[in-house]
Amino acid sequence: GAVVSQHPSRVICKSGTSVKIECRSLDFQATTMFWYRQFPKQSLMLMATSNEGSKATYEQGVEKDKFLINHASLTLSTLTVTSAHPEDSSFYICSANREGKNIQYFGAGTRLSVL
Amino acid sequence: TQLLEQSPQFLSIQEGENLTVYCNSSSVFSSLQWYRQEPGEGPVLLVTVVTGGEVKKLKRLTFQFGDARKDSSLHITAAQPGDTGLYLCAGDDSGTYKYIFGTGTRLKVLA
Repeated sequence: GAVVSQHPSRVICKSGTSVKIECRSLDFQATTMFWYRQFPKQSLMLMATSNEGSKATYEQGVEKDKFLINHASLTLSTLTVTSAHPEDSSFYICSANREGKNIQYFGAGTRLSVL
Repeated sequence: TQLLEQSPQFLSIQEGENLTVYCNSSSVFSSLQWYRQEPGEGPVLLVTVVTGGEVKKLKRLTFQFGDARKDSSLHITAAQPGDTGLYLCAGDDSGTYKYIFGTGTRLKVLA
């Protein structure tokens, strides 16, 4: 099956620093990737759609300057949480669409803890 | 705004019991996915249903897509502790490849 790798799996950082999370599709090309945020014991909330070679599309209420998304190749999208604060602590999950198919394959998630 | 409501929100049952999880919406979806997620991990796809009235079976799991493609159900027969997890339904947003996730059902199967 399709594999999506997300790195790092866990990160602890100080308030005010920036954190970059990578999402890679290992065995397929993905023109579209998605970034989700999940609070404890809750469902996934879509933050943004990452499009290869163009700007990301952010969901309502998500600050694009806070959560920078870059999709520079067909296999890699990155999410940078800029000037992180404790309220940004959460579980961030990416997914990738195999080109031409309406199935999302998910990464294992990144747990961000901001002190 | 499309919403997918799942019920029940929480379920704790004994091993061997049967259960059904529901996923309901007022919107029509061209396809609907069911995922299971374990703590600290990403969701794992269980099944995709695309045709109204479709029934799919995956070992002890039976998935059904409503005739009007607005709702779905997941039935587990003879639940096992390994079935414990967060079950999520997700519908595609008008063919945009964006998913709308359900509110989730947290299942705990006790040995």
